[in-house]
Amino acid sequence: RKEVEQDPGPFNVPEGATVAFNCTYSNSASQSFFWYRQDCRKEPKLLMSVYSSGNEDGRFTAQLNRASQYISLLIRDSKLSDSATYLCVVGPYNAGNMLTFGGGTRLMVKP
Amino acid sequence: DGGITQSPKYLFRKEGQNVTLSCEQNLNHDAMYWYRQDPGQGLRLIYYSQIVNDFQKGDIAEGYSVSREKKESFPLTVTSAQKNPTAFYLCASSMGNRRYGYTFGSGTRLTVV
Repeated sequence: RKEVEQDPGPFNVPEGATVAFNCTYSNSASQSFFWYRQDCRKEPKLLMSVYSSGNEDGRFTAQLNRASQYISLLIRDSKLSDSATYLCVVGPYNAGNMLTFGGGTRLMVKP
Repeated sequence: DGGITQSPKYLFRKEGQNVTLSCEQNLNHDAMYWYRQDPGQGLRLIYYSQIVNDFQKGDIAEGYSVSREKKESFPLTVTSAQKNPTAFYLCASSMGNRRYGYTFGSGTRLTVV
């Protein structure tokens, strides 16, 4: 089983739609969680951290479910510019700051 | 502005040749990392360094070497022993604290010709 698993997609949605991605992680001791965005042929960029109580940043909402060991990302009112690959990233409690990256979920927003 | 710089952006390597990819950061980050990404694939860790003069192998270190003589710099050498080096190489740095994510450079695209 992979440490961090994501549905690779692609998720094809129309502009204005709401879309959600889930990500599961295997290490129950994980303590830090992030969503990164990666555009085609570019570097990953931090989209948002994921906090235990859940958090929102504009149209983006991240949730953490420790009992089931998954995190989610909800995008409301999708824009064409949201088309990208979204990487789920999980970090341990110790061992410095070694993060484990999921394989990514590709989102394509259509006009 | 603080950031992490990778050079060159594109690099072409002949068979049997060693090449070195540069990674420099001015973020005062302690930890630095090298990843490889193949088309349509996720990131795979090559090497990482948590502190100057120390580094550890990642999941796919064979055919690669690194050095960490300065806090700001973490160059990666792709040796002739790496049989399939064509890929997108990403350097990242972090404060070494689990509360923060990584900052990535813009990457080097290496092609064997």
